[in-house]
Amino acid sequence: DVQLAESGGGLIQPGGSLRLSCAGSGFDFRNYSMNWVRQAPGKGLEWISYISSTGATTYYADSVKGRFTSFRDNPKKSLFLQMKSLRVEDTALYYCMGGYFGSVWGQGTLVTVSS
Amino acid sequence: SSELTQPSSVSVSPGQTARITCSGDVVAKKYVRWFQQKSGQAPVLVIYKTSERPSGIPERFSGSSSGTTATLAISGAQVEDEADYYCYSAPDDRGFGGGTKLTVL
Repeated sequence: DVQLAESGGGLIQPGGSLRLSCAGSGFDFRNYSMNWVRQAPGKGLEWISYISSTGATTYYADSVKGRFTSFRDNPKKSLFLQMKSLRVEDTALYYCMGGYFGSVWGQGTLVTVSS
Repeated sequence: SSELTQPSSVSVSPGQTARITCSGDVVAKKYVRWFQQKSGQAPVLVIYKTSERPSGIPERFSGSSSGTTATLAISGAQVEDEADYYCYSAPDDRGFGGGTKLTVL
């Protein structure tokens, strides 16, 4: 089965840090660029980060630039999102998206930023 | 804020054709993808490269583009097609439109 599985979410205080993981299986992970997408409660999808297949190129949404860092470990078929200086408005369900034209999504991991 | 503009809602009766638009300058320059998201579920890719349909997606889903507007059409819409639909451009062009809630009733 072609799958992505996110983990690492949880409750974190404002200003804190968190690292999300995304594990790929069933497809040649190293050949595909990957993205992080989030969805705040009751809101639409927000793209936040892109990383090329080799990890050499990254892009970030303005809302997270300078605070979030995306990186990957292709031998381990894993994608990561290092988040720091978290804000209440970062509260969301975080998805990784990849595969052929974004055809593969995980089920998401919930990040709640609250004091 | 998104650089792709979608109507917030579209409503059709079962069997009619639903059309959801996505407007923005990037549409004239880049391919567009469409994602369907049903309540409580992860998004599903229904159109890529503006008009290509992934395997497993019903033929009633089609995509097109003219100028700065892309359109997702669902011919013979069914109740099961009720969902939020998002257009999406290349990641370096800010990503998703605001989403359109499709109601079929």
